[in-house]
Amino acid sequence: RKEVEQDPGPFNVPEGATVAFNCTYSNSASQSFFWYRQDCRKEPKLLMSVYSSGNEDGRFTAQLNRASQYISLLIRDSKLSDSATYLCVVNRDDKIIFGKGTRLHILP
Amino acid sequence: EPEVTQTPSHQVTQMGQEVILRCVPISNHLYFYWYRQILGQKVEFLVSFYNNEISEKSEIFDDQFSVERPDGSNFTLKIRSTKLEDSAMYFCASSDMYGYTFGSGTRLTVV
Repeated sequence: RKEVEQDPGPFNVPEGATVAFNCTYSNSASQSFFWYRQDCRKEPKLLMSVYSSGNEDGRFTAQLNRASQYISLLIRDSKLSDSATYLCVVNRDDKIIFGKGTRLHILP
Repeated sequence: EPEVTQTPSHQVTQMGQEVILRCVPISNHLYFYWYRQILGQKVEFLVSFYNNEISEKSEIFDDQFSVERPDGSNFTLKIRSTKLEDSAMYFCASSDMYGYTFGSGTRLTVV
């Protein structure tokens, strides 16, 4: 089983819609959790950390369910500039492990 | 905003040659990493480095690879005798207690 699993998509979503991504991780020893965004041929950039209590940053909401080993990201009022690949990332020991990413296309 | 700097941005090399990819991590970060991303695939961990030594490495990071921090600012990845399958984006990252910052990557093409 892969350590971090995501639906690769692509998700094709009209501008203004709400979209949700899910991610599961296999190692219960994972310590912290993140969503990164990666634009085509660019480096991954931190979008937000994910906390057990859930956290929100503007249009973005992240949730963590440790019991189910499940992480989610919700994007409200999606914009054309949200088009990217969204990477689910878990921290274990001295490194972070990436999922393969979910591609999102926002349609005008 | 502090950033991780990588050079060169592109490197083309012949199979069998040695390459050195260079990185300048954020100055007050203590942990350094190399990751790679083969085109269309996920970002893969190669190696982490702390206190002037490797703290962890993946099975990808075999004897062909080595890392070095030759001075107080640079962090290098050396690939000896490159193979075609080493073609990828190589990302350097550094971290502190708040998170990880990635450089913009070096695109390595082995021909």
